[in-house]
Amino acid sequence: QVTLKESGPVLVKPTETLTLTCTVSGFSLSNARMGVSWIRQPPGKALEWLAHIFSNDEKSYSTSLKSRLTISKDTSKSQVVLTMTNMDPVDTATYYCAAALKGFDPWGQGTLVTVSS
Amino acid sequence: VIWMTQSPSLLSASTGDRVTISCRMSQGISSYLAWYQQKPGKAPELLIYAASTLQSGVPSRFSGSGSGTDFTLTISCLQSEDFATYYCQQYYSFPWTFGQGTKVEIK
Repeated sequence: QVTLKESGPVLVKPTETLTLTCTVSGFSLSNARMGVSWIRQPPGKALEWLAHIFSNDEKSYSTSLKSRLTISKDTSKSQVVLTMTNMDPVDTATYYCAAALKGFDPWGQGTLVTVSS
Repeated sequence: VIWMTQSPSLLSASTGDRVTISCRMSQGISSYLAWYQQKPGKAPELLIYAASTLQSGVPSRFSGSGSGTDFTLTISCLQSEDFATYYCQQYYSFPWTFGQGTKVEIK
């Protein structure tokens, strides 16, 4: 059974860097068929795709957030890490990681990150 | 960037109704489209991928159709547990994008 779980701070201050970790189980991050994405959802708003990492370490980013995002993986730890620099209150959202093959499935439970001083 | 127009944004319906949600792309994406259902406070769940393939475990009252630029999600006989928000998503090219969502509410 494939599962993913996000972890990280619940509160960050403006201008700080956010680091989120997605721990996966049930599949290997070196699996050529599966990749992992990060997606976020501000309260009451739509889903927004942020970044994706493939098994061969190829990466892709949201056009509007590319300068602030870095995605990486540690295959030995079964973890995918997302960093977002220069956090702002508008970045307050639930952040999800999800396995991606044909669409996103499954998703982690999500972690709410609030940006406030 | 592939822009997506999902409509309607709000749909009021009754149990037993047949409902359709539309998703239109700014350029062709073949059949690289997925549909998700999201209930309040929960992560989205994959319903359909490749535009028309039902994810394992999803009830057959859900169906998807379309290719190229125009896609539709149909719920043939709305059940109480189907009142939720639905999103389309293209995975044809990066950056991957989501529609703005359709909330299906009780009429």
